Amino acid sequence: GAVVSQHPSWVICKSGTSVKIECRSLDFQATTMFWYRQFPKQSLMLMATSNEGSKATYEQGVEKDKFLINHASLTLSTLTVTSAHPEDSSFYICSARVGRGGTDTQYFGPGTRLTVL
Amino acid sequence: KQEVTQIPAALSVPEGENLVLNCSFTDSAIYNLQWFRQDPGKGLTSLLLIQSSQREQTSGRLNASLDKSSGRSTLYIAASQPGDSATYLCAGRNYGQNFVFGPGTRLSVLP
Repeated sequence: GAVVSQHPSWVICKSGTSVKIECRSLDFQATTMFWYRQFPKQSLMLMATSNEGSKATYEQGVEKDKFLINHASLTLSTLTVTSAHPEDSSFYICSARVGRGGTDTQYFGPGTRLTVL
Repeated sequence: KQEVTQIPAALSVPEGENLVLNCSFTDSAIYNLQWFRQDPGKGLTSLLLIQSSQREQTSGRLNASLDKSSGRSTLYIAASQPGDSATYLCAGRNYGQNFVFGPGTRLSVLP
């Protein structure tokens, strides 16, 4: 089946630094990619939707200047957490959608655990 | 907007029991519903996907049902094993929309 990878799988950084997380669809081209955040013992919350070559659409309450999303190609999307703070520590999961309309399918990456000290 | 809830929040059963996890959604115009498994600190593993035109899907010891009229889906796990211990998430999706996830059910199967 289709595979979505994320890199890194975990990262620890100091407060105030920026961290970039990559999401790649390995054997398919994704029309759309999604970024989710999951706090401990909570469910996934959608942060933003990105389409290749266009600006991401952010969910209400998500700061677009803090969480920069770049969808450079049909197989790569990056999430950059700028000026990270301890409250940004979370599990970030991306997913990639292939197809449109009634035949689209969404595949999820393994997640990236971010810890901000 | 679709909202998804799951009960119970946590469940502990002895090995070998059959069990049912419940998922409820608010919008009957749901396009599809998917059940996932998440191990601690890990990503999501897709278990079963049910399209709106389907009533159930089966994979091995797992059976998922979908009842749009009542806004419910159930995940049935037969002959539970300690390896089934994980958090189970259901996610509903309307046409053209993104998945909305439930809070999950943390399952512990005791040997």
